[in-house]
Amino acid sequence: NAGVTQTPKFQVLKTGQSMTLQCAQDMNHNSMYWYRQDPGMGLRLIYYSASEGTTDKGEVPNGYNVSRLNKREFSLRLESAAPSQTSVYFCASDHRGFHGYTFGSGTRLTVV
Amino acid sequence: QQQVKQSPQSLIVQKGGISIINCAYENTAFDYFPWYQQFPGKGPALLIAIRPDVSEKKEGRFTISFNKSAKQFSLHIMDSQPGDSATYFCAARELTGGFKTIFGAGTRLFVKA
Repeated sequence: NAGVTQTPKFQVLKTGQSMTLQCAQDMNHNSMYWYRQDPGMGLRLIYYSASEGTTDKGEVPNGYNVSRLNKREFSLRLESAAPSQTSVYFCASDHRGFHGYTFGSGTRLTVV
Repeated sequence: QQQVKQSPQSLIVQKGGISIINCAYENTAFDYFPWYQQFPGKGPALLIAIRPDVSEKKEGRFTISFNKSAKQFSLHIMDSQPGDSATYFCAARELTGGFKTIFGAGTRLFVKA
């Protein structure tokens, strides 16, 4: 099925470890986004890529880095995981304009 | 700061009743207002959306009402069903500077059978 694919679905990290969350879309969308979802706080934008070759910070970028590898793929890296980064991470993509996002199914990350 | 304020946090409605969720925003650069529905363990999915040049949009049992002067918009779910039980997010999108979408905190809706 066409859509946004995120890997892994679940991950447990120890404080200080690093990892990369992968996201790929097959809808030829220009823009891609990383959000984190925490109880009572909705979805907060971490980083986004308006088009291939560009990335920008969102609301909560500290502790994260991103790479827009090509038009399909947008990865999120935690260089030194902290317990405050325990969250559910969602990748999304869209064409610019009035179409709304297509979300992946999320990565549930626990940092102990 | 919370640019999109959503209420209530949770809502319990009887089957067949009307569910109403409200949102307010400050930034006048927002000009696309989608609502997303999320079931447990899934990503949010676009439910319905409105542009501010329209005061109301209806799709089946779901209606968005939009008040541009008050900078408020709301989702009405008519004839609510147990299958509507989910978390609903209002959102507002900037159509400049990267087309970022800002989400409300979410409303957990439970429809009692």
